[in-house]
This record gives sequence, C-alpha cells and structure tokens, in this order.
Amino acid sequence: GAGVSQSPSNKVTEKGKDVELRCDPISGHTALYWYRQRLGQGLEFLIYFQGNSAPDKSGLPSDRFSAERTGESVSTLTIQRTQQEDSAVYLCASSLNANYNSPLHFGNGTRLTVT
Amino acid sequence: QKEVEQNSGPLSVPEGAIASLNCTYSDRGSQSFFWYRQYSGKSPELIMFIYSNGDKEDGRFTAQLNKASQYVSLLIRDSQPSDSATYLCAVRNTGFQKLVFGTGTRLLVSP
Repeated sequence: GAGVSQSPSNKVTEKGKDVELRCDPISGHTALYWYRQRLGQGLEFLIYFQGNSAPDKSGLPSDRFSAERTGESVSTLTIQRTQQEDSAVYLCASSLNANYNSPLHFGNGTRLTVT
Repeated sequence: QKEVEQNSGPLSVPEGAIASLNCTYSDRGSQSFFWYRQYSGKSPELIMFIYSNGDKEDGRFTAQLNKASQYVSLLIRDSQPSDSATYLCAVRNTGFQKLVFGTGTRLLVSP
C-alpha cells in the first residue's frame, strides 16, 4: 500500500477486556515498530520486528502486552485484561530496513480508550 | 538522564522569523538523527534526518549535527503559521534498531 495502515482507528473497550490492534506496513519494508503515545506525552517504544529475527520486546510495559508479525507482513498488538492506564494512541511504523539511515514512516494510529 | 531531551516549549516566533529547535542525546554511539513534525491529533511525519556532522538543508529546513557536543538542531526559515506543531527529535541508537524519541517542542508561529 501507499502508507502504513492501522485498524481500527478508534477503539473503546471496557476495563478487563482484551483488544487487538492491527498494522499493515508499507510493502517491502522489513522493519516494523509499535509505539504508544499517551495524551500530551512523547512516543514510548513498545516492540520492534526486523525480518525473521527475534523481536526486540524491551519496551513492552507488562506481560499483558504481546505482539506478533508473520514474515514481513501484518502485525497485531494484543493487550489482555485492559486497564485504564492503557488508554493511549498506539502508533505503528515501518522502515525499509534497520539501517541507520532508514527513517520510520508512521500510520495514523489507533486511539484506545479503556472505560 | 533522559536519552533524548528537548525543551517542551512553547517556542513562539512571529511569521517570517527563523525558528530554532534543539535536542540533546546521551548515547555517544548514536548514528542517525531524525526530526518529525506532529500536528495535534495526528501521527508524526518525517521532516528530515541527518547522520554526518554539519548542516543538511531541505527547503526551509536545516538540520545541524554536532556529535562531539551530542547536540542536534532544526532551523525553520521563513516560519509560517502552518508550521505550528510539535517537533519531535528522534535518535537511532547504537544497535541501529529502535528510534528513541524526545518529548517534543511545541512551536507556535503567530501571523
């Protein structure tokens, strides 16, 4: 596709429910990233995938968060037993590769609200 | 010490002036540096990136990098009200993997 596509754009869920967020990267991009941005805050790194290498999960805030990516295609971020502090915009980005001069291109994000 | 630091602002400049946005980073091994613009309620969009010491120009934007001082800046010439946004500095760490973002500087350009 022309850009990074994320769905849904908005998600409202009740505390304790599980949610799944989807990201479709730019075609041909081998690297994929998930970030979280709370209201008025900066971007917080969550997880990074590069090709078939083991993902860098160092930013996942708890074991309620997990993510998968099949090959170099779609990724899903799953949050189990959602809490109110999980409310944020979840941003997905992809880059051509993991080289130092390869910029990230962001999707429009999924705004998650936990009530 | 935060990995990437920016003054949160707001930085207010009149239309037509030069806006100067600054960023410092802690990892001496950082290889590349990115500037993103984020309008309220929108996702970050790439302005430009730099990885060699010195200046890099792209239209009204100039990125400046000083690795010895661990300092990167973005100059916006002939600032326009449409430039009003939050500017995010991001640094690619030594492993060339994740981008670490600063919290951003809010720029306000008044007509």
